Amino acid sequence: DAGITQSPRHKVTETGTPVTLRCHQTENHRYMYWYRQDPGHGLRLIHYSYGVKDTDKGEVSDGYSVSRSKTEDFLLTLESATSSQTSVYFCAISGLAGEGELFFGEGSRLTVL
Amino acid sequence: SQQGEEDPQALSIQEGENATMNCSYKTSINNLQWYRQNSGRGLVHLILIRSNEREKHSGRLRVTLDTSKKSSSLLITASRAADTASYFCATDAIQGAQKLVFGQGTRLTINP
Repeated sequence: DAGITQSPRHKVTETGTPVTLRCHQTENHRYMYWYRQDPGHGLRLIHYSYGVKDTDKGEVSDGYSVSRSKTEDFLLTLESATSSQTSVYFCAISGLAGEGELFFGEGSRLTVL
Repeated sequence: SQQGEEDPQALSIQEGENATMNCSYKTSINNLQWYRQNSGRGLVHLILIRSNEREKHSGRLRVTLDTSKKSSSLLITASRAADTASYFCATDAIQGAQKLVFGQGTRLTINP
C-alpha cells in the first residue's frame, strides 16, 4: 500500500472556525491532490500540487487554500469553515512514472456545524 | 462539471453473475481509469486503458474503450460478495495532464 496518511481522520467544528487537514506521503511522489466526496457529486478536485510550492486550483477551490512546503506534506486549509464544506476529503498522490494512476488516503470526514 | 458519468447509478446482482458498468465522458482523453471504493475507505486503482487501446483485461476485469462514442465499460466476471463496492471511472483529459476527473460512481451490490 502507498504510504499516505491523512490527519485528522474525523473532525467536528463550528461555522467560521479555521480548519487544516494534513496529507503526508512517504513515496516521494511529485503530484498531490485534494478531493472532496459528496453524495450525488462523486469526487471533485479542490487543489493539486505538482511540486514543492507549486499548486493550482481544481474544480471547487473557492473557500480552500493549500500549501506544500515539503515534498511529503500537502495541507488543505479552510480559512472559515461553512456548513457546505461538510464532506469527506481525500488526499491522493501520483508519481512521475505513473500514467496518472492515483493512490488515495483513507479520507478525513469533516463536519461543520 | 463531471467529465465522466457512470451508468447505472446502482446495480444489484447475484453472486456468480457478471456485472457491467458503463462510463461516458465529454472531451478527448489521454487515458481512462477505473477505481473501486469500499464503504468508508479510499479509492483503489483497478485498471487503466489508454486512448489508443480498445480492450484490456486484468484478472476478472475487462475494460473496453470506444473513443468515437466517448464511452467505456467495466465488466466484472463471476462476481463475488467481496466485489460489493462503488466503482468510479476517471479521465485524464489531454489538456489537464495529471488531473483526473471522476464520475459519480456505480454502487455495486453482490447478493450471496
